Amino acid sequence: DAGVTQSPTHLIKTRGQQVTLRCSPKSGHDTVSWYQQALGQGPQFIFQYYEEEERQRGNFPDRFSGHQFPNYSSELNVNALLLGDSALYLCASSFLGPPEMEQFFGPGTRLTVL
Amino acid sequence: EDQVTQSPEALRLQEGESSSLNCSYTVSGLRGLFWYRQDPGKGPEFLFTLYSAGEEKEKERLKATLTKKESFLHITAPKPEDSATYLCAVQAPSSASKIIFGSGTRLSIRP
Repeated sequence: DAGVTQSPTHLIKTRGQQVTLRCSPKSGHDTVSWYQQALGQGPQFIFQYYEEEERQRGNFPDRFSGHQFPNYSSELNVNALLLGDSALYLCASSFLGPPEMEQFFGPGTRLTVL
Repeated sequence: EDQVTQSPEALRLQEGESSSLNCSYTVSGLRGLFWYRQDPGKGPEFLFTLYSAGEEKEKERLKATLTKKESFLHITAPKPEDSATYLCAVQAPSSASKIIFGSGTRLSIRP
């Protein structure tokens, strides 16, 4: 059983560019959450998708957007990249039923903005 | 505002030296408290979910406990392979589907 997968593993972009990160959830999971983790900090919630709709959003600007596809996979898009967007981006999947919030994380995408 | 604070920030132990990590939280109506292990450059690995005060869960050398204001992760006779960052997170009704993480405790076990 494949766990959560993310691509790419690493990415280098310059300021002002746009980036798309991808996530495939664990088999049987229908909900995908995205997190940003700066070095030495805990993950910060960006947003969550369920049934192809954004279910909840954290304190991130509109430059961060997402999408969920019918097969439950998801994309995170970041426009107009800033140096401060450099971080590890984590995708987590879960099943929207008890235990609702046992989330399983992927390996992450390391984004570097120069 | 819902908040999670972990202490200490870093902990160095000798192999076999037992200790505890602390996670204190302020939320209105806890729905769940989670412990994760994270190795450098990797995603967090799920360890435990605790739902109510008094609950305890164990896995190998790890034991997690929960009170109304804090959780402890007890590590018994740790080995070097237990070295990692341990993250605590909570979910509260006020935050709906959002999980709030602490900054973690970096645990280092010396042989």
